[in-house]
Amino acid sequence: DTEVTQTPKHLVMGMTNKKSLKCEQHMGHRAMYWYKQKAKKPPELMFVYSYEKLSINESVPSRFSPECPNSSLLNLHLHALQPEDSALYLCASSPGGGLVTEAFFGQGTRLTVV
Amino acid sequence: GDSVTQMEGPVTLSEEAFLTINCTYTATGYPSLFWYVQYPGEGLQLLLKATKADDKGSNKGFEATYRKETTSFHLEKGSVQVSDSAVYFCALSDRVDKLIFGTGTRLQVFP
Repeated sequence: DTEVTQTPKHLVMGMTNKKSLKCEQHMGHRAMYWYKQKAKKPPELMFVYSYEKLSINESVPSRFSPECPNSSLLNLHLHALQPEDSALYLCASSPGGGLVTEAFFGQGTRLTVV
Repeated sequence: GDSVTQMEGPVTLSEEAFLTINCTYTATGYPSLFWYVQYPGEGLQLLLKATKADDKGSNKGFEATYRKETTSFHLEKGSVQVSDSAVYFCALSDRVDKLIFGTGTRLQVFP
C-alpha cells in the first residue's frame, strides 16, 4: 500500500477562519512533507518532519503551523490566511533518514481563501 | 545549489508518436532522480526512479536512464496514448529528506 490520504479534498475558508489539513500514511515512512502548488507551477516545499521532529521549514509564514502527532499523521493548521494562499496543498512521505529514494504524494487539498 | 531543468512545454504529439522529455540536473553529490506525473486536478504520482548512475527506471512503457556524465535523466516512451496527457515533473534528492522539482512539462497527446 503506497497510499497517502489527505483530508479534506476541498476547503473554502475566510481570512479570519482557523482550519486544519490532515495527512495520513501507513507505509512506516519516517519523513513527511507539506508542499504548496500554485496553478501551472511545480510543488514548493514548505515543511519536512523527520522522525516526528520538524527538520526543514522553508521560511513559511507563521499563519501556517505544522504538527506531527505521531509517525503516521501530519497536520497543517491554518490561521488568518490571505487570498494569495489559495493553492493545492500536497502531503508526501518517504522512508526518511537519508536521501529520498522514493516519495509518495497524496491527492492534495485544494484550498480557496475568500 | 541543487537544481533541475526541464524542457519548456507544452509538448504536443499525435497518438503512437515517440516521446522524449529532457531533464538535466545540477547537484554536488550523487542524487536520486525521479519522474512524477500529475493528471489534471490530482496529486503527483511516482512514475519511475533511479538511485545511481547508469540505472534505468521504467514503468508503464516509460523509461529514463541516469546519465552521470551528461547529468541527465530524460524521459522516453515509444508510443504515447491520449491517456498519457498530463504534466511531467523531473525531481532529484541530494540532501537528507529533501526533494527538488523541475518546472514541469505539459504533454498533450491528440488522437
